[in-house]
Amino acid sequence: NAGVTQTPKFQVLKTGQSMTLQCAQDMNHEYMSWYRQDPGMGLRLIHYSVGAGITDQGEVPNGYNVSRSTTEDFPLRLLSAAPSQTSVYFCASRRTGTSGAVETQYFGPGTRLLVL
Amino acid sequence: GQQVMQIPQYQHVQEGEDFTTYCNSSTTLSNIQWYKQRPGGHPVFLIQLVKSGEVKKQKRLTFQFGEAKKNSSLHITATQTTDVGTYFCAGGYQKVTFGIGTKLQVIP
Repeated sequence: NAGVTQTPKFQVLKTGQSMTLQCAQDMNHEYMSWYRQDPGMGLRLIHYSVGAGITDQGEVPNGYNVSRSTTEDFPLRLLSAAPSQTSVYFCASRRTGTSGAVETQYFGPGTRLLVL
Repeated sequence: GQQVMQIPQYQHVQEGEDFTTYCNSSTTLSNIQWYKQRPGGHPVFLIQLVKSGEVKKQKRLTFQFGEAKKNSSLHITATQTTDVGTYFCAGGYQKVTFGIGTKLQVIP
């Protein structure tokens, strides 16, 4: 099992450019999510998905789009990059869990994004 | 929305000393999760607590969930240099909210 993979590892964008951060998992997990991590801010949820075809917004969704056409993949799209989107982005996946309890959540290695 | 506060933000300890980080939520949590992130790495799931008053141990790590399910703590006994990293608490089921983390430095 590769677990959760993310590409690219590093990316530099100019303001206004668009790009897609890729995330894939091979554990057949229903739940996938995207976080951004900024110094002193912890991890903030951008979007999440509970299964193919189902997505919802997290805490900081503005400027980002997601789709979930397959169980394995959950790409994150930056429509028009801004310097405020400079961050480290983590994708995570887990089984859904039951009764309010979550299953072990696995994080990818992250994508470091710099927007100039 | 749900807010999860975590203190302290930084902690330096001598190797062998104990360490505790505290987590408080503005709302009752269905669960509390704890993660460790090594410098330059990604968060790694340590444990989940779901029951009021629950206590779980993993070797030198002790995790507690408060009776009201609004607070939690992680205690490390006799820290080692391998404990260095940032410890995060997080709560929630579909929308998971993370605390800002406690960065632990262990001085040999």
